This record gives sequence, C-alpha cells and structure tokens, in this order.
Amino acid sequence: GQNIDQPTEMTATEGAIVQINCTYQTSGFNGLFWYQQHAGEAPTFLSYNVLDGLEEKGRFSSFLSRSKGYSYLLLKELQMKDSASYLCAVRSRSNDYKLSFGAGTTVTVRA
Amino acid sequence: DVKVTQSSRYLVKRTGEKVFLECVQDMDHENMFWYRQDPGLGLRLIYFSYDVKMKEKGDIPEGYSVSREKKERFSLILESASTNQTSMYLCASSDRTGGTDTQYFGPGTRLTVL
Repeated sequence: GQNIDQPTEMTATEGAIVQINCTYQTSGFNGLFWYQQHAGEAPTFLSYNVLDGLEEKGRFSSFLSRSKGYSYLLLKELQMKDSASYLCAVRSRSNDYKLSFGAGTTVTVRA
Repeated sequence: DVKVTQSSRYLVKRTGEKVFLECVQDMDHENMFWYRQDPGLGLRLIYFSYDVKMKEKGDIPEGYSVSREKKERFSLILESASTNQTSMYLCASSDRTGGTDTQYFGPGTRLTVL
C-alpha cells in the first residue's frame, strides 16, 4: 500500500508563493499527480510527474524526487481563485489503474 | 474536453434503502472509478472497471456493488444504505491509451443517509 502525507492547511497572501509538500511510501511507484479541488466541486487535473525533476505549467510547477519519495506543488503569484484543496495522488505499478490519494491540503489565499 | 456526469448532485435516503448512483463519460474511456471522499481521509477507491462487464474491488468495497453494462456508464449500488455511507461520491474515468492515464472526475454526488 501507499502512505501519502501532505499538510492539512496553508495560508498565504495574494501575489506570494506557496509550496505544498507531499511525501509517499509505495511499492512500485508509477507516477504522481496533483489535483485542485474547489469547495463543492470535482477535482481537476493539474500536473503529472513520473521522472525526477521539475514540470512547469504557467504559475504552477511540480517537482518529484523518487529516491526521497517526495514531491511538491509550487504556486506562484497567488490569486484569490487559487484558494482550494490540493490533492497529491500516487499510482503504483502493481496496478496501473489505481491512484492512492493524500487527504489534501487546503490553501487559503488572503488579500 | 472530457465530460463526466453524475446523475444527482444531492441525494437523501433512508437507512436500508437501495441506492443507485449513475456515472456517464463521453470520451470513450476504458477505465472508470468510484471513490468516496470524507473530511480528513481524502479520496478512497471503492470499485473500478477497466472494461465493459469487468470490475475490480478497490480499498473499501464493503457495502457496495457496481455495474458496467456499457462502456460509457458505471453504476454504484448501495444494496442497503447505512448512515456510515453518508459521504461525497466521486466518479472518474481515464484512457489507458494515453501516456499519463489521467483520471477525470465528475462533479460528485453528496449522499446523506438518515
């Protein structure tokens, strides 16, 4: 199985940068996903990492270190609309279709 | 864009009732999933299906069953609803032929069992 840990809550100011960490323990790592979920809405896909390094998509970047079982999601130039829950999910090679999710990190952006 | 729809946004049922949650996706995806989401626990996989008439148990299948008679539709069934099944239920689909096999989620059904 997988143990996936991420902080419960983070607060930041509009225009700032926030880094959400995710650590995991898994047998047969096969990819890590980040999703954004606004209150009462469906999770939406943000990023995917399977190799070590940084993936950048506009204001959002995601980093992976497989040897450390560690990822982070970096949100730059924060906007009020970035207030949401951010979910880290790990896929295992033992079954390619299954994702294991962390409990999510609620980010609150303040003016 | 991928579209995953769920039959209801909100449902209120009584203990012991049989409950059907329907999910439809319009992107011809092979894989479909049912999760429940509870505060502090994250998304937990109930059942998934990688083809028509195929199903696999997820991490918490007890008290649930599923049906996949057509590729686009995946139903979750609560044979006899109980209060501990009050939760947000999320359906997702993914395409195995794609590189990342990203899952796309429906809007969710918030089920309350009284």
